[in-house]
Amino acid sequence: SQQGEEDPQALSIQEGENATMNCSYKTSINNLQWYRQNSGRGLVHLILIRSNEREKHSGRLRVTLDTSKKSSSLLITASRAADTASYFCATDAGNQGGKLIFGQGTELSVKP
Amino acid sequence: ETGVTQTPRHLVMGMTNKKSLKCEQHLGHNAMYWYKQSAKKPLELMFVYNFKEQTENNSVPSRFSPECPNSSHLFLHLHTLQPEDSALYLCASSQGAAGPVYRGYTFGSGTRLTVV
Repeated sequence: SQQGEEDPQALSIQEGENATMNCSYKTSINNLQWYRQNSGRGLVHLILIRSNEREKHSGRLRVTLDTSKKSSSLLITASRAADTASYFCATDAGNQGGKLIFGQGTELSVKP
Repeated sequence: ETGVTQTPRHLVMGMTNKKSLKCEQHLGHNAMYWYKQSAKKPLELMFVYNFKEQTENNSVPSRFSPECPNSSHLFLHLHTLQPEDSALYLCASSQGAAGPVYRGYTFGSGTRLTVV
């Protein structure tokens, strides 16, 4: 069954603006991860946040996790045209041998 | 190059053909996964292998048959497929599932499969 659901499904912004994507999930998790996928290619791991963490940064990425609301957000600051891609959240329940359940993704378009 | 290599990149096969997808990783990871990505649908987990033992079969039809001869190699054998099986098939690997050394998945570039 689908675990993560991203919002919005599509987002179009201008270069330099910030992009925020949200993810909601249904069951308890051990960690939540964000991945990027460029058109028709494999996914690239961006960041992992564990259930006991509330915020994490990596370069222009900022991820928050609210386990009481079962939600997470990914913020990309000062976006670039090269950030155009689909972004997926994935949840790991921690007791299922590393199995990740992915959401449907947010398609981000950054216009130069 | 991510460290996970999938071959072939593209495959067109008839419904009566038998073909195999190959995935190889030299990252020292102990878990490997097959996912299916169809248009407009979330990634669907198909199979999970931990230390070359299958630990998950997500109700996948028997026309898909996985094989994991060692921790570095994973195959997906295909036979008698249907047009709706056309999709991007992604292989991934990870180390130390959910433990302190766990850093998430490393994906291959995928095999784009078209069944005609």
